[in-house]
Amino acid sequence: GDQVEQSPSALSLHEGTSSALRCNFTTTTRSVQWFRQNSRGSLINLFYLASGTKENGRLKSAFDSKELYSTLHIRDAQLEDSGTYFCAAENNNNRIFFGDGTQLVVKP
Amino acid sequence: NSKVIQTPRYLVKGQGQKAKMRCIPEKGHPVVFWYQQNKNNEFKFLINFQNQEVLQQIDMTEKRFSAECPSNSPCSLEIQSSEAGDSALYLCASSPGQENTLYFGAGTRLSVL
Repeated sequence: GDQVEQSPSALSLHEGTSSALRCNFTTTTRSVQWFRQNSRGSLINLFYLASGTKENGRLKSAFDSKELYSTLHIRDAQLEDSGTYFCAAENNNNRIFFGDGTQLVVKP
Repeated sequence: NSKVIQTPRYLVKGQGQKAKMRCIPEKGHPVVFWYQQNKNNEFKFLINFQNQEVLQQIDMTEKRFSAECPSNSPCSLEIQSSEAGDSALYLCASSPGQENTLYFGAGTRLSVL
């Protein structure tokens, strides 16, 4: 989207490897969320951050509100991590803008 | 993980027909968002509510859609006269409000023939 630049658009990982996704924001962002969408369209909320970092299992996210970016690190990728990952940024007017997604494929 | 219920899962309409979809937010969540996700995965914000009141909506929603979140009934989003370009996945999300953490339903996939 215009407000959120997400990269990469696609990513292929072998099981057991690690990588990071990134979102850059073009405007003041008060919070960021990360989601994973499966092939049927269901979205799972992975993280909500107003600042700093959060970790959940093999996933870790960071948000720098001054430098206007957020990252999602995937460690020791597993087959079930495959899906499309989206970041979403909330501005000061409570509007939430989504990135265009990263299609992740984890291969054996 | 989400308790947001959207119905129907699939909806097929002809051009010019009305298309109505419903959403039951997670219990205790006063804020409801509707998004349209197109085939390129792009999300478009449509409208959001706090309880029964509209907070924000885009121009398209105001002109061609009707949406409501009545008390003690599901929220709904209705396209008054469907167009081919309305074919998309319509996603409803609810939020507890203090933080706008979004919990999405499974979506309604609309096909306009």
